[in-house]
Amino acid sequence: EPEVTQTPSHQVTQMGQEVILRCVPISNHLYFYWYRQILGQKVEFLVSFYNNEISEKSEIFDDQFSVERPDGSNFTLKIRSTKLEDSAMYFCASSSAGTLGYTFGSGTRLTVV
Amino acid sequence: AQKVTQAQTEISVVEKEDVTLDCVYETRDTTYYLFWYKQPPSGELVFLIRRNSFDEQNEISGRYSWNFQKSTSSFNFTITASQVVDSAVYFCALRGGAGNMLTFGGGTRLMVKP
Repeated sequence: EPEVTQTPSHQVTQMGQEVILRCVPISNHLYFYWYRQILGQKVEFLVSFYNNEISEKSEIFDDQFSVERPDGSNFTLKIRSTKLEDSAMYFCASSSAGTLGYTFGSGTRLTVV
Repeated sequence: AQKVTQAQTEISVVEKEDVTLDCVYETRDTTYYLFWYKQPPSGELVFLIRRNSFDEQNEISGRYSWNFQKSTSSFNFTITASQVVDSAVYFCALRGGAGNMLTFGGGTRLMVKP
């Protein structure tokens, strides 16, 4: 069964550093998403991406965040200057046009120290 | 605005007991979609079911069943004859008719003891 692949599975970074979280969505999917889950809390929407642009974003997704699809396979989330409160599990997801099913990756646990 | 409420933050049962996880949602959309996901201790999100607002038929899949009631804005999930492997956090989620974002509830942690 097709999978959404996220790398790395765990990243530790110092406060103020830039991090890039990487995702390879399912190849024929057209919609891409990032969600965040602070430890022990609910999963929160960050951003959706379609046709090479952001289609929706939440209040969490401020200027510190950006997304990019640099080539035909990768979908990245960049956090420019990490803060302690950015520590969370970040999930990438993708879905195909005309369907409503989302496939989530297994997540990247980001720890900011 | 959309909202999903899972009032039960934690449930503990003994193996083989039946357990129901509650989910109540709020939306102004007439067309919407409801989901359940399982998050085992390993952390990934595992899709369980999707239901659209026009289909109120209850669904059964093995030991899992779902009861969708528009009149009470609820989409409850029942596990019959629970097993230790069912121990996980379960999230209910809602997607409105427009847009693609999922709004998640706070999750219910289910602990099934042997």
